[in-house]
Amino acid sequence: GAVVSQHPSWVICKSGTSVKIECRSLDFQATTMFWYRQFPKQSLMLMATSNEGSKATYEQGVEKDKFLINHASLTLSTLTVTSAHPEDSSFYICSARVPSDYNEQFFGPGTRLTVL
Amino acid sequence: GQNIDQPTEMTATEGAIVQINCTYQTSGFNGLFWYQQHAGEAPTFLSYNVLDGLEEKGRFSSFLSRSKGYSYLLLKELQMKDSASYLCAVSDSNYQLIWGAGTKLIIKP
Repeated sequence: GAVVSQHPSWVICKSGTSVKIECRSLDFQATTMFWYRQFPKQSLMLMATSNEGSKATYEQGVEKDKFLINHASLTLSTLTVTSAHPEDSSFYICSARVPSDYNEQFFGPGTRLTVL
Repeated sequence: GQNIDQPTEMTATEGAIVQINCTYQTSGFNGLFWYQQHAGEAPTFLSYNVLDGLEEKGRFSSFLSRSKGYSYLLLKELQMKDSASYLCAVSDSNYQLIWGAGTKLIIKP
């Protein structure tokens, strides 16, 4: 299957700092990538849809000025958590839509963010 | 509104068979996916159904009935490593995935 990488796999930062998470499709071009957040024992929550070359589409309740998304190329999307606070601590997962009959999403391994 | 329902938790015995059900109500339908997610890891793709019927892939099978808005994931010859959450997701008219809350499957020896 398609391979999606994510970096870093985990990060610990101080409150008020910004953290950038990268999502890459390694063996295919992804015009659409998705960013999810998952709190412990809860389901995936879609944060935003990232389209190459255009502005991301954010889900209701997600602050676009706090969670900056850039999809500058067909293989890379970045999520920057600005001025992170402890409540932003979560598991952030990206996925990329594979151009196929299925249009399935393949997920990166996730980034565990802990804000102190 | 859009809604995906699946049981919160199920328990089964190693070597047995378990069926995880999923019912959905969505605006449009472009297929139903099943993903497996182990604790602390990202989901991995298991199966895709867009036509009615059963799709078999090794120990795992997935069934779809579009008229009933219903799917199930069937796991045979359960192994301890099958302990995970199983996520049902429907691709709506915009090809956006609508996710269920997941079913935590506990396998006992």
